[in-house]
Formats: sequence, structure tokens, C-alpha cells
Amino acid sequence: GENVEQHPSTLSVQEGDSAVIKCTYSDSASNYFPWYKQELGKRPQLIIDIRSNVGEKKDQRIAVTLNKTAKHFSLHITETQPEDSAVYFCAAPYGFNKFYFGSGTKLNVKP
Amino acid sequence: EAGVTQFPSHSVIEKGQTVTLRCDPISGHDNLYWYRRVMGKEIKFLLHFVKESKQDESGMPNNRFLAERTGGTYSTLKVQPAELEDSGVYFCASSPGGPLHFGNGTRLTVT
Repeated sequence: GENVEQHPSTLSVQEGDSAVIKCTYSDSASNYFPWYKQELGKRPQLIIDIRSNVGEKKDQRIAVTLNKTAKHFSLHITETQPEDSAVYFCAAPYGFNKFYFGSGTKLNVKP
Repeated sequence: EAGVTQFPSHSVIEKGQTVTLRCDPISGHDNLYWYRRVMGKEIKFLLHFVKESKQDESGMPNNRFLAERTGGTYSTLKVQPAELEDSGVYFCASSPGGPLHFGNGTRLTVT
């Protein structure tokens, strides 16, 4: 099956700084990589995704990069704000419409 | 559109008791998933329905867990008898294919 590893498990940054979360995956056939944000007490929500035919995708302060050769992808948040504080999960597909998730990164943005 | 809804939001039961969790997916989503997150760990795949059929149940921990999706609409996940290690947050997600839409989860505590 797919093996998704996510680092770091916790990340604390000062407001305005950048945050980077990294994930690796094992299945070379994987071609779609979503990122989810889970605020305290709420449901995980999709914030950005990337397909394997591109190396980078940006949406305002959020970007995701993908290195298919190395089998890793990263989430980049610039100009962090306190409302970015949450748990972030990466995911990779396996088989038919099934996703494996990383262990999550708890991001704390200090005002 | 209404999101994925789960009931109950919390459940506290004693070891040996039975609990049934319910998930109502987004209308029209053929794919329905159950996941579980134990504190600090990954969102772990349990099983995947396509309409009323179990597509993949490889993540189900053991035969104390039974999931159903009669009629291809809502789904239930029954744990009988519950053990201490079953504690965690159980997420349901649905999809028409592609990104998952999560419910708020059911926090199960087995004492």
C-alpha cells in the first residue's frame, strides 16, 4: 500500500514568517496530492492540491511543490497569520479512489 | 449544498458495550469512506464504499467493526464489543471522485 510520511509533527513560527511542511510517498503511480487543514474542533478541509503534471501550484499565500523523482511534496505558507494555526494533513492516492494521509503537522503561529 | 454530517459528535461508552456511528454523505456522492484518527497519529483509512458495495475494507481493524451502507445513501459503523484501543475520532468522507469532503467526526471514548 501507499506509505505517506509527514514532517515536522509540530511547527511553531512567528506571525509573518513562512512555514514549510514536507511529505514523502512510496507509490510511484500516485498522481494527485491534496492538502487538508483541520482547525480545532472542525472537519479537515481541502486547501490546495496538485497533480503530477505540474511541479508547483500557488493560491495566494499557499503553495505546493511536487518532486515526482524524489517522491516528495511540500506545503508552503508565506506571511503566516494566527488564523493559519491548525493541523495540516497531506495525502496521496492508492488504488481506486483511496487516499492515505500523513500523521499531521500542528502549526502554531504566534502573534 | 449540505456537507457530510456525522452523528453523534461525541460518544463515551464502557468497554464491552456497542456503539453505532452514522454518516450522511453529500447527496450524489457515490464514494463514502470511513477513517479514524488516534491522538497524534495519521488519519487512518478504514474502508471505502462505492454506492452500497464495499470497494475496500482492508483498513478495518478486526471483526468487531461492521460497516454498512444500505441503499447507497447513509452509512453506519458499528463497534461491538468496544475495546479501549478503539478510542479516537472517526471521520466519514464522501466524494464524487477526486478530493474528499469530510464530516466533523465522531469522538469515541471507550472507558
